[in-house]
Amino acid sequence: RKEVEQDPGPFNVPEGATVAFNCTYSNSASQSFFWYRQDCRKEPKLLMSVYSSGNEDGRFTAQLNRASQYISLLIRDSKLSDSATYLCVVNPTDRGSTLGRLYFGRGTQLTVWP
Amino acid sequence: EAGVVQSPRYKIIEKKQPVAFWCNPISGHNTLYWYLQNLGQGPELLIRYENEEAVDDSQLPKDRFSAERLKGVDSTLKIQPAELGDSAVYLCASSHTRLAATPLNTGELFFGEGSRLTVL
Repeated sequence: RKEVEQDPGPFNVPEGATVAFNCTYSNSASQSFFWYRQDCRKEPKLLMSVYSSGNEDGRFTAQLNRASQYISLLIRDSKLSDSATYLCVVNPTDRGSTLGRLYFGRGTQLTVWP
Repeated sequence: EAGVVQSPRYKIIEKKQPVAFWCNPISGHNTLYWYLQNLGQGPELLIRYENEEAVDDSQLPKDRFSAERLKGVDSTLKIQPAELGDSAVYLCASSHTRLAATPLNTGELFFGEGSRLTVL
């Protein structure tokens, strides 16, 4: 079983739509969670960290459900520039230790059309 | 501030030939990673360095892959001999050594643009 599972999509939505992605992780002891964004033929870049209490950054909201071992990303009012692949990332090591190995999901592809 | 620098950006070789990739991390980042990314997949860790020490190389196919980071700064990843299945993007990334050392605790990895390898 993979450490991180994601629906690869693709998700095709019109501008202004709200879209949500989920991913599940297998290690219940995982401590840190992130969403990375990867544009076509570019490198991944951190979009946002995911905190236990949930966190919001503008149009983006990340949620963590430890009981069910899943992470979600909600994008409101989608823009054309949101078109990218969104990678779910899990770090199974404890906070306060080294960053360690990050496990990446395969990514969910989003296309926002005009 | 310069980001993670990788070279070459693109490499085309015939199978059984050797190939090497170079990476220079962000200044001050002690941790360096080599990831492999196949088309339609997420990055998969090959090796992680803390300074010059390889602390996680369990996913590195040691029969044909090798890596070094002799002075704890830049790093080289080598494949010899290359196989058709090695065609992929090889990503280098760097980060602060300790998650807790970053005031915002972002746990951010900074990636280079990658080296795209095609094996014919």
